[in-house]
Amino acid sequence: GAVVSQHPSRVICKSGTSVKIECRSLDFQATTMFWYRQFPKQSLMLMATSNEGSKATYEQGVEKDKFLINHASLTLSTLTVTSAHPEDSSFYICSARDRRGGENSPLHFGNGTRLTVT
Amino acid sequence: DQQVKQNSPSLSVQEGRISILNCDYTNSMFDYFLWYKKYPAEGPTFLISISSIKDKNEDGRFTVFLNKSAKHLSLHIVPSQPGDSAVYFCAAKEVGGAQKLVFGQGTRLTINP
Repeated sequence: GAVVSQHPSRVICKSGTSVKIECRSLDFQATTMFWYRQFPKQSLMLMATSNEGSKATYEQGVEKDKFLINHASLTLSTLTVTSAHPEDSSFYICSARDRRGGENSPLHFGNGTRLTVT
Repeated sequence: DQQVKQNSPSLSVQEGRISILNCDYTNSMFDYFLWYKKYPAEGPTFLISISSIKDKNEDGRFTVFLNKSAKHLSLHIVPSQPGDSAVYFCAAKEVGGAQKLVFGQGTRLTINP
């Protein structure tokens, strides 16, 4: 089955530093990847849509200068949380859709990254 | 504005019985609906989906029902098994909506032996 690998699974960083999270589709190519954020006991909130070879599309209220997204190839997207603050502590999950599937083909999710900013 | 709502944060069901998870939505532009299952410390995995042109889709023990007039869908699991214990998310996609999914808050299902 389609596998999405997300790394790291858990990271602790100090306030003011930057953290990079990688999302790779291992056995398929994805022109589009999605980055979600989940607060405890809440829904997955879409942060941005990552498009291979072009700029990401950010959801309303998400700071594009704080959450930098790069989709350099058909199998890799990265999310960099810049100048992290404790309120950025959350669970970040990426997802990808196989480019061979139609627009209704399901998203495949990574296992998420638990970010803790101290 | 929560466009997809799962009003039951948790549900407990006896093994072998039917589990029914509910989901309501407000956006009439949604045309495709999916259910995902999530274990702790893992990403969601796709379970079953339904297009707005249908009112039922079945896959083994899992059946999803869609009532468009009520803007309501439900997931039935029968018979329920201990391995079904997880958090279930309902998700929806708009017509031509850039392929992005809107998720509900999730329902934690516990199957008791």
